[in-house]
Amino acid sequence: QVQLQESGPGLVKPSQTLSLTCTVSGGSISRGNFYWSWVRQPAGKGLEWIGRMYSNGNTRYNPSLKSRVTISRDTAKNEFYLEVSSVTAADTAVYYCGSEPPGLWGQGTLVTVSS
Amino acid sequence: QAVVTQEPSLTVSPGGTVTLTCGSTTGAVTSGHYPYWFQQKPGQAPRTLIYDTSIKHSWTPARFSGSLLGGKAALTLSGAQPEDEADYYCLLYQSDGREFGGGTKLTVL
Repeated sequence: QVQLQESGPGLVKPSQTLSLTCTVSGGSISRGNFYWSWVRQPAGKGLEWIGRMYSNGNTRYNPSLKSRVTISRDTAKNEFYLEVSSVTAADTAVYYCGSEPPGLWGQGTLVTVSS
Repeated sequence: QAVVTQEPSLTVSPGGTVTLTCGSTTGAVTSGHYPYWFQQKPGQAPRTLIYDTSIKHSWTPARFSGSLLGGKAALTLSGAQPEDEADYYCLLYQSDGREFGGGTKLTVL
């Protein structure tokens, strides 16, 4: 079974770029009909879909975040990445990576935007 | 961008049955929206209970089922247990990508 683990800095300064890594084990991010996704959840709020990358490398982003978000990958490392530029306090959240189908998710990593 | 709608809160009695729904402002929800249902308990990561409308994970209790009902995706809980008290989110495929509903807070009381 695929397992996913998020990692990255827990603290990012305003206006900087948030960068996270999702390490995947038990399956290849470049094979099959799978999407590799990022979602986030601010404290006390609901889930927000950020975007995803198909196994062929094609990406799709939330229109509200599209101008600031990039999802990329390193197939040799079996990792995919999230970058969010020009962050503000509103980007403070727990970030989760996952695979769809069938909806397997990591445990999440808290990123705080603060000076 | 389309909005995904869910009941903000529902209450069910222990042993009772409740249906949570997930709609779209663009029209009827179909299997082509690939509905997902997530359960999230306080302090925990969300976990997928149902994907692609009605497919369960190995950890999904048998009392949960997914379907399409009246133009919406539906999550039915039959025989509610106290441990089912949680937030439930649906996720739909939309023209712009994927969109979460605002979540339903389910109380078992």
